Amino acid sequence: AQSVTQLDSQVPVFEEAPVELRCNYSSSVSVYLFWYVQYPNQGLQLLLKYLSGSTLVKGINGFEAEFNKSQTSFHLRKPSVHISDTAEYFCAVSPPGSNYKLTFGKGTLLTVNP
Amino acid sequence: NAGVTQTPKFRVLKTGQSMTLLCAQDMNHEYMYWYRQDPGMGLRLIHYSVGEGTTAKGEVPDGYNVSRLKKQNFLLGLESAAPSQTSVYFCASTQGQMNTEAFFGQGTRLTVV
Repeated sequence: AQSVTQLDSQVPVFEEAPVELRCNYSSSVSVYLFWYVQYPNQGLQLLLKYLSGSTLVKGINGFEAEFNKSQTSFHLRKPSVHISDTAEYFCAVSPPGSNYKLTFGKGTLLTVNP
Repeated sequence: NAGVTQTPKFRVLKTGQSMTLLCAQDMNHEYMYWYRQDPGMGLRLIHYSVGEGTTAKGEVPDGYNVSRLKKQNFLLGLESAAPSQTSVYFCASTQGQMNTEAFFGQGTRLTVV
């Protein structure tokens, strides 16, 4: 079985500041890793994913994440946030061969203040 | 581009009533899923389907049933609603193979009183 821990339930930052949202996972097998974003009253949208290859993954809206196998982490970063980045962010894992089922973390609410 | 469409968007049920949530996708995806989202819990998988005519249980299947009679539709049923089923329900679909991105609907907010 897999589990995902998002270490911060809420992260407040000021506009144009850098941000890091932390994600750790536990799994007995290799996994695919994802970050999804949920804007208020909307569904989830894929930000980025790691399947294999380069451990630094770039996504939409200027976000990037780095896969660290030894620390079983997949932290999300953005060098300068905007008000429009205010949303809830979910880290998720899916083992290859699991019919693409996703196991989600509990989410991190990013609030960008002016 | 409609993507994944959920019907209805909001519903209030009385305890013991039944209802069906409809999910429709127009991307010809093989895999479809129903998740529930509760505050502070993230999303949890209820049931899923790997193709027309097939369904399987997820992490929290009790109290729910599903059907996938047509490839584009995935129905979630509550036979006898309970207050514990108050939640936001999301449907998702995935093409599969190496295209692992899940596309989500806008959600159905269900309140059971």
